[in-house]
Amino acid sequence: QKEVEQNSGPLSVPEGAIASLNCTYSDRGSQSFFWYRQYSGKSPELIMFIYSNGDKEDGRFTAQLNKASQYVSLLIRDSQPSDSATYLCASKGYSSASKIIFGSGTRLSIRP
Amino acid sequence: KAGVTQTPRYLIKTRGQQVTLSCSPISGHRSVSWYQQTPGQGLQFLFEYFSETQRNKGNFPGRFSGRQFSNSRSEMNVSTLELGDSALYLCASSLSQGDGYTFGSGTRLTVV
Repeated sequence: QKEVEQNSGPLSVPEGAIASLNCTYSDRGSQSFFWYRQYSGKSPELIMFIYSNGDKEDGRFTAQLNKASQYVSLLIRDSQPSDSATYLCASKGYSSASKIIFGSGTRLSIRP
Repeated sequence: KAGVTQTPRYLIKTRGQQVTLSCSPISGHRSVSWYQQTPGQGLQFLFEYFSETQRNKGNFPGRFSGRQFSNSRSEMNVSTLELGDSALYLCASSLSQGDGYTFGSGTRLTVV
């Protein structure tokens, strides 16, 4: 069983709308959660991280964490064509020796 | 400041050969992790090093090995290459083990 699950997509969203990306994790010991963006042919780029339950906002991006439901999401407001990419959700356990586990990613396409 | 540097960018090897990939982390970053990325399996964790010590290892055969030097630079080695080892190998560094990663551009390995 994969430890971090994401819908592979593609998720198609009109320009200017809100894109909602979701992720679930199986390890209740996970403490840190990350969202990475990966453009085709490029390496992943960290865009958000969240440790506490609730929302965390950074510009057009909002990460949401619900540890009781083991659910993480990323909202992208005012979606732009440049947001078209694969978004990777990742989790890390409490121990400093825990590795970061990545989901398989959701492909997002913003249509003009 | 300089990012994570991986060399070489591209590599073509024959089955049975061995290969060494190099990674120079961001200056001051002491944690280095290696991932294998393939279209079918996504990002798979190989190993993590912190202050020259391997702190974590993924589920890869013993043909995959790595090390970290006192200047935090890291190398990974794959011996007796198989066709299935063809992948993008990504190195990532972080300031400490609890932080999110910054990825290098990767080494694209093709085994023929």
